[in-house]
Amino acid sequence: SQKIEQNSEALNIQEGKTATLTCNYTNYSPAYLQWYRQDPGRGPVFLLLIRENEKEKRKERLKVTFDTTLKQSLFHITASQPADSATYLCAPFLSGNTPLVFGKGTRLSVIA
Amino acid sequence: DTGVSQDPRHKITKRGQNVTFRCDPISEHNRLYWYRQTLGQGPEFLTYFQNEAQLEKSRLLSDRFSAERPKGSFSTLEIQRTEQGDSAMYLCASSSGSGVYQPQHFGDGTRLSIL
Repeated sequence: SQKIEQNSEALNIQEGKTATLTCNYTNYSPAYLQWYRQDPGRGPVFLLLIRENEKEKRKERLKVTFDTTLKQSLFHITASQPADSATYLCAPFLSGNTPLVFGKGTRLSVIA
Repeated sequence: DTGVSQDPRHKITKRGQNVTFRCDPISEHNRLYWYRQTLGQGPEFLTYFQNEAQLEKSRLLSDRFSAERPKGSFSTLEIQRTEQGDSAMYLCASSSGSGVYQPQHFGDGTRLSIL
């Protein structure tokens, strides 16, 4: 069955540094991968989508990579701020019609 | 775009009672999903509608769970004879099903606590 692993449950970094979060998947070959942000008590908020034929996607301070050989996605937040503190979820998926399967998430804390 | 709305935000009930949650998706979205999330886990898929048709159900969805989307707009999720293990956040998401892939937009969920 599909398995998704996000590198750590929690990651603490200093304000201004780059946060790098990892998402590894096994037992399937997704055509797309999404990253969501979730704040406590709130629903996930969509951040970025990357397709299998795209190596990298950027949006403001966010960058996502998708390595289908390594079966891995990296999610970077540059110049991190305390407001970036949240849980980040990855969701690799096969096609637009399939329900999402999420990793457990990584809780990021940016310390001022 | 008023976003996905879920009601109630919190529900506390005794074991064995029935509960019903409502989800109002973004108005032009024809796809609607239900997920369940427990502490420290990502959301887990429960069921999915395209318009009023329920197209897929997870094995997680026992026969105590039923979902409807009668007119292809709002949806309800009912849990009968609730158990302690049903305590979770129940999330609804919607998306547009036509053309280029559109991401799912989530509501803020209904937190269910079983006493």
